[in-house]
Amino acid sequence: GAGVSQTPSNKVTEKGKYVELRCDPISGHTALYWYRQSLGQGPEFLIYFQGTGAADDSGLPNDRFFAVRPEGSVSTLKIQRTERGDSAVYLCASSLRGGEEYEQYFGPGTRLTVT
Amino acid sequence: QKEVEQNSGPLSVPEGAIASLNCTYSDRGSQSFFWYRQYSGKSPELIMSIYSNGDKEDGRFTAQLNKASQYVSLLIRDSQPSDSATYLCAVTWGSARQLTFGSGTQLTVLP
Repeated sequence: GAGVSQTPSNKVTEKGKYVELRCDPISGHTALYWYRQSLGQGPEFLIYFQGTGAADDSGLPNDRFFAVRPEGSVSTLKIQRTERGDSAVYLCASSLRGGEEYEQYFGPGTRLTVT
Repeated sequence: QKEVEQNSGPLSVPEGAIASLNCTYSDRGSQSFFWYRQYSGKSPELIMSIYSNGDKEDGRFTAQLNKASQYVSLLIRDSQPSDSATYLCAVTWGSARQLTFGSGTQLTVLP
């Protein structure tokens, strides 16, 4: 079946602009996660959705970042007033449910470059 | 502080050898353990999960977990050049659902 998809694959934006990154999880997966990965590092957690609600947003670095998942499927990560330090690969993952033992599957990522 | 530590490598092994990748974690409240493989420029791909002490085998891969020692490892038997990648260890803690990753170990399998 289809895996997690993310669009766009690459996004270049100017400092101060607003960007939206989209994630479409595996069909039937109720849990969705956003991570970001900088070069040479493992992914870092941003936010976790169970269904439509954000169950844990403790990883969001500041209030310029927020994410929505209005219908419990597709999610959008929104970044306001982008800064050069936001440049990274943004990864989305989904799992069947949100329990500790449910395996997370990653999408291909969106590479964000802020100039 | 919840931390996951891996040797960054690079680790080089000859083709056909056993590659051994190690990971330690900082907190005994850990629940689940995962190994992901990441090729350069690609996203992480899940290769193994392990939830209880002992060994778990899947094809050429064996994951080993020792919760008392806070240690999880991945063995790759009959290593192939196509196994050359960065291997990421990931852990969940308590009621938290998110993965905490190590920084990865770069493995090179020499033909």
